[in-house]
Amino acid sequence: GQNIDQPTEMTATEGAIVQINCTYQTSGFNGLFWYQQHAGEAPTFLSYNVLDGLEEKGRFSSFLSRSKGYSYLLLKELQMKDSASYLCAVRDSNYQLIWGAGTKLIIKP
Amino acid sequence: ETGVTQTPRHLVMGMTNKKSLKCEQHLGHNAMYWYKQSAKKPLELMFVYNFKEQTENNSVPSRFSPECPNSSHLFLHLHTLQPEDSALYLCASSQGVSGDSYEQYFGPGTRLTVT
Repeated sequence: GQNIDQPTEMTATEGAIVQINCTYQTSGFNGLFWYQQHAGEAPTFLSYNVLDGLEEKGRFSSFLSRSKGYSYLLLKELQMKDSASYLCAVRDSNYQLIWGAGTKLIIKP
Repeated sequence: ETGVTQTPRHLVMGMTNKKSLKCEQHLGHNAMYWYKQSAKKPLELMFVYNFKEQTENNSVPSRFSPECPNSSHLFLHLHTLQPEDSALYLCASSQGVSGDSYEQYFGPGTRLTVT
């Protein structure tokens, strides 16, 4: 079967750095996405990785290792507004998105 | 503003009712999606439409019936639902289905409660 694993919940301190991991087992691979979802709101796109390596976008970076079936989202200089759920999703051989259950990130002052 | 709107935002219905959810995208996209989101569970893809044609139906019960009259509008018709169908129903759109990147843009969702 297809499976995406990510931690259920993480806690970090304002101003710090946090890394949210995602491991996947899917039938085929056509890219990995990270989305942010604030409570009661729609998921919003953060990043896309299809080749191995690090993609940096401001305070957020996303890393992919296809051979290890592994990705992480790195958030720097954490702000209170970063408190949200972070969803990892992999596009399989049929170009369908397989979603993880999300990681709830709690930022403390 | 994500360019994808959904109505209603909240819906309470009995098991014998018939209701419809509406989604509209203003982004000029060609693909539209219905997802079900339950607490602490992954997003479940229900239906995919590409250029108004249904391309995926992920074993969704027949009490959910989608309709896509054009590339900008998507409906989900509901009838004789069960309490376990209570969830957040999200609509999304993307430029296409199989191209590079093609991130999905989500609407705010309809919070459905079946009593």
